[in-house]
Amino acid sequence: DTAVSQTPKYLVTQMGNDKSIKCEQNLGHDTMYWYKQDSKKFLKIMFSYNNKELIINETVPNRFSPKSPDKAHLNLHINSLELGDSAVYFCASSQQNNEQFFGPGTRLTVL
Amino acid sequence: QKEVEQNSGPLSVPEGAIASLNCTYSDRGSQSFFWYRQYSGKSPELIMSIYSNGDKEDGRFTAQLNKASQYVSLLIRDSQPSDSATYLCAVKDRGSSNTGKLIFGQGTTLQVKP
Repeated sequence: DTAVSQTPKYLVTQMGNDKSIKCEQNLGHDTMYWYKQDSKKFLKIMFSYNNKELIINETVPNRFSPKSPDKAHLNLHINSLELGDSAVYFCASSQQNNEQFFGPGTRLTVL
Repeated sequence: QKEVEQNSGPLSVPEGAIASLNCTYSDRGSQSFFWYRQYSGKSPELIMSIYSNGDKEDGRFTAQLNKASQYVSLLIRDSQPSDSATYLCAVKDRGSSNTGKLIFGQGTTLQVKP
């Protein structure tokens, strides 16, 4: 299946821990994104990479660090997790700046 | 602060009726407009994109864009219970033409009652 996939689907962890979320797309797209959707369902861009180059870096705490080893993968590492980091994190991809397609999401719960 | 505004709803319509979802945006230079559907617990799914003034139809869906009024809408004809979801309006403004950055509205929850 051609798609955007994310792992893990659910992540439950304690405050202060470090965790990573992985994203892969096999759509042949050159641009990938991380979004955060909070409890009020508001979806906000965090980062974007185009051909492994960071092109969007919104006002996000520097505890969040994206990494793109190649244009098909975009990972998100979060250090020193806080309660307020609890949310659903979506990866998305697009060809250049065109229509974006979303992965299934990772529901992060920080206890 | 560039904004995209939607009425959070819920918008309730009977099965078979036309559902009309509305969205306004603050940046007059915005270029591209998208409607996503999100079922509860699922990811956003792209259902329509529109780039120029006027109507764009795809099956039961029609997107309408009026750049002068900074207004984009989505009409769903012959609404079905399976259309019950949250509909997200997303806008790519002029400054994001090289980055693809989308600004999302808060979404409108649609309930289609049998």
